[in-house]
Amino acid sequence: LAKTTQPISMDSYEGQEVNITCSHNNIATNDYITWYQQFPSQGPRFIIQGYKTKVTNEVASLFIPADRKSSTLSLPRVSLSDTAVYYCLVVGYSTLTFGKGTMLLVSP
Amino acid sequence: EAGVAQSPRYKIIEKRQSVAFWCNPISGHATLYWYQQILGQGPKLLIQFQNNGVVDDSQLPKDRFSAERLKGVDSTLKIQPAKLEDSAVYLCASSLYPGDRVNEKLFFGSGTQLSVL
Repeated sequence: LAKTTQPISMDSYEGQEVNITCSHNNIATNDYITWYQQFPSQGPRFIIQGYKTKVTNEVASLFIPADRKSSTLSLPRVSLSDTAVYYCLVVGYSTLTFGKGTMLLVSP
Repeated sequence: EAGVAQSPRYKIIEKRQSVAFWCNPISGHATLYWYQQILGQGPKLLIQFQNNGVVDDSQLPKDRFSAERLKGVDSTLKIQPAKLEDSAVYLCASSLYPGDRVNEKLFFGSGTQLSVL
């Protein structure tokens, strides 16, 4: 089971780009990287998933280097409503396991 | 599309009492999960159902927790008797789970916040 490490918290201001990095040194060949977002008093919500290089959707971009030992979730031009906890998960053959996540606080 | 429904939203009980939580997954989702989220931590999987069969209950404290999904749709999670350390948010999630964990995209409900006094 690949363990993930991400910062406990990050601060940003509205309009800035935020990059949250996750390390997963023992990721397996068949594993994917998945990110979830959790707002207060709500369950987590799927954001994005990738295997290598770059994936982009309407919410975020995910950058994964060639060695796949880390990944970076990029949120363009954040707003106050992006304040949430962001979880990085390595998804493979085992059950989805959530770590403590990164608490992102966006200020005016 | 209706999301995952959970009830009640909040529950306060005293230790040693029993409590039950209900979950209605998204229509057509064969897989249902119960997670426990203690304040400040990420969700921890308690049990996973595929239709009405249990796929994984390795982290379910079976001496006090039980769960069922009799008709492969709704599910109930019960705690009996409750302990102080059971205070947490209990989240239900569902997914289509096409047999491939890589594509296992979970949809969560808003959870039930349990306080054990």
